Amino acid sequence: GQNIDQPTEMTATEGAIVQINCTYQTSGFNGLFWYQQHAGEAPTFLSYNVLDGLEEKGRFSSFLSRSKGYSYLLLKELQMKDSASYLCAVRGDQTGANNLFFGTGTRLTVIP
Amino acid sequence: DTEVTQTPKHLVMGMTNKKSLKCEQHMGHRAMYWYKQKAKKPPELMFVYSYEKLSINESVPSRFSPECPNSSLLNLHLHALQPEDSALYLCASSQEITGLSGYTFGSGTRLTVV
Repeated sequence: GQNIDQPTEMTATEGAIVQINCTYQTSGFNGLFWYQQHAGEAPTFLSYNVLDGLEEKGRFSSFLSRSKGYSYLLLKELQMKDSASYLCAVRGDQTGANNLFFGTGTRLTVIP
Repeated sequence: DTEVTQTPKHLVMGMTNKKSLKCEQHMGHRAMYWYKQKAKKPPELMFVYSYEKLSINESVPSRFSPECPNSSLLNLHLHALQPEDSALYLCASSQEITGLSGYTFGSGTRLTVV
């Protein structure tokens, strides 16, 4: 089975830094994704980690520790438009397919 | 073309109706997916097609019937749905092997069953 956990809600101030954690226990692991989803819209791809360590992409960074089943998404210089849900998703390793299972999602509110 | 296009955007159907959701992509992706998303919940995987063959069915009731006519199209046929099936239905696609660029999602079909 798949178990992917994230905090339900977080609030942070404009211009600050926020870290959104994700822990997972899955039957197989072939990469972890972070997606951003604004209300009523499709998820959009933010980052992908398959090896341990930090991946940086502009204001967004994502970290993975496979041995701990742990990842985090770091958002710097927060902007009001960053208010959205952030979804952690793990890809399983079933042969011939790329199944992607989502965590519960973290709703981030950025306040002035 | 770097998009996944879903139609219709909104659909209201009765419990005795038959309708279909459509999804199209022209990125050459060979894996396509259907997800169901209820309000304030994450997307839940329903079906995975890999090279036009159904490879994963996440125990979805038979009132949902997927079809992949070709590598660019994915349909979801709906019949005898229940009000609790009301949700946002998302289609996605990815490169089969690496998926390093992530999965591309369509904007979804918001389905209401009355």
